[in-house]
Amino acid sequence: SQQGEEDPQALSIQEGENATMNCSYKTSINNLQWYRQNSGRGLVHLILIRSNEREKHSGRLRVTLDTSKKSSSLLITASRAADTASYFCAPDLTGGGNKLTFGTGTQLKVEL
Amino acid sequence: GAVVSQHPSWVICKSGTSVKIECRSLDFQATTMFWYRQFPKQSLMLMATSNEGSKATYEQGVEKDKFLINHASLTLSTLTVTSAHPEDSSFYICSAREITQTGELFFGEGSRLTVL
Repeated sequence: SQQGEEDPQALSIQEGENATMNCSYKTSINNLQWYRQNSGRGLVHLILIRSNEREKHSGRLRVTLDTSKKSSSLLITASRAADTASYFCAPDLTGGGNKLTFGTGTQLKVEL
Repeated sequence: GAVVSQHPSWVICKSGTSVKIECRSLDFQATTMFWYRQFPKQSLMLMATSNEGSKATYEQGVEKDKFLINHASLTLSTLTVTSAHPEDSSFYICSAREITQTGELFFGEGSRLTVL
């Protein structure tokens, strides 16, 4: 069963705008990861935030984590058409056997 | 960065035949590999966890005899879809975690199976 749920399911923005995606999960985690998938391709790891971290940056990506609310957000700043993809969060659950399960993702479309 | 190679990238087969998909970690060792399947515009569904040198652990509802997994070395895991039927048509993706790491997964490019 999936452990992370992304919101919104779909997001359409103009190039240059920021895109924010949210993730909610249900139980305690070791870390939470965000992945990206281009249509018909495998997933690419974007960023990992540990349970004792609250915010992390990587280039144009900013991830926040609120363990009290069991939620995370992914912000993509100054979006580009090439950012068009599906984005998934994957909570690495405590005692979860190191396996990751994925929600339905957020389908981001960045238009020129 | 770590690379996972998956082969074949697409395959078409007749109903009743078996198809083998390979997943290789090219520049790192992986004691654990994971197999997922994905239907169009849906999430990845974890099928099984493949452990080097031991039996795979299957998720609930996944038929062990239907989806045979072998993890013979630290760099290779295979998924064999036996007696394939049209409902097995899907996008199969493998992933691997580096032996020294407990974090990110590295994914293959996926294999699209079409059963006629």
